[in-house]
Amino acid sequence: QVRLLQSGAEVKKPGSSVKVSCKSSGGTFSSYAISWVRQAPGQGLEWMGGIIPMFGPSKYAQKYQGRVTITADKSTFTVYMELSSLRSEDTAVYYCARSGGSVDTPMYNWGQGTPVTVSS
Amino acid sequence: SFVLTQPPSLSVAPGQTARISCGGNNIGTKSVHWDQQKPGQAPVLVISYNSDRPSGIPERFSGSNSENTATLTISRVEAGDEADYYCQVWDSSSDHWVFGGGTKLTVL
Repeated sequence: QVRLLQSGAEVKKPGSSVKVSCKSSGGTFSSYAISWVRQAPGQGLEWMGGIIPMFGPSKYAQKYQGRVTITADKSTFTVYMELSSLRSEDTAVYYCARSGGSVDTPMYNWGQGTPVTVSS
Repeated sequence: SFVLTQPPSLSVAPGQTARISCGGNNIGTKSVHWDQQKPGQAPVLVISYNSDRPSGIPERFSGSNSENTATLTISRVEAGDEADYYCQVWDSSSDHWVFGGGTKLTVL
């Protein structure tokens, strides 16, 4: 049984960065893709990017290119998403989700979500 | 970028059938996946690859995809099916996931 456990809620100032973690337990870690999806209050789902820990280089949605970095630590079965230059519009719940062997396969398992609030 | 269009809301009486549409240009040529999200919870995949049910998803959930419309069908709707439903596809031209705007299913 795969479980994804995310780090806790964050409150950040505009212009700062946030780093959210997603720790995997159960199943094989390195050969499955992990995506990050965010959901602003009252809004729908939006894909930010993804990574396959075994292969390293991440794919990013064009909207977030240059502002988001997704990395993986194979030794701790953890994937990280760092978003920089935060603004109020980045206030959202951030989810990690595990797919099959590539980022373009469906997301079978989701983390519980990490609320991020950006406020001065 | 590929655009997916869903009706914002749908209301169905218990025991009836709910059909949630997801429109897109030639979406029938793509694999469509459906997620269910209940209030305050993370999404759950309920249909993958147009019509496959992941383990643990009731047989009441089914999917189809043809030409310009994909459809999620929920038979014998129950109160517990009340949720937001999102379709999603991989847009290979831009190399990213696209989600529909979501449909809020209300069970009367």
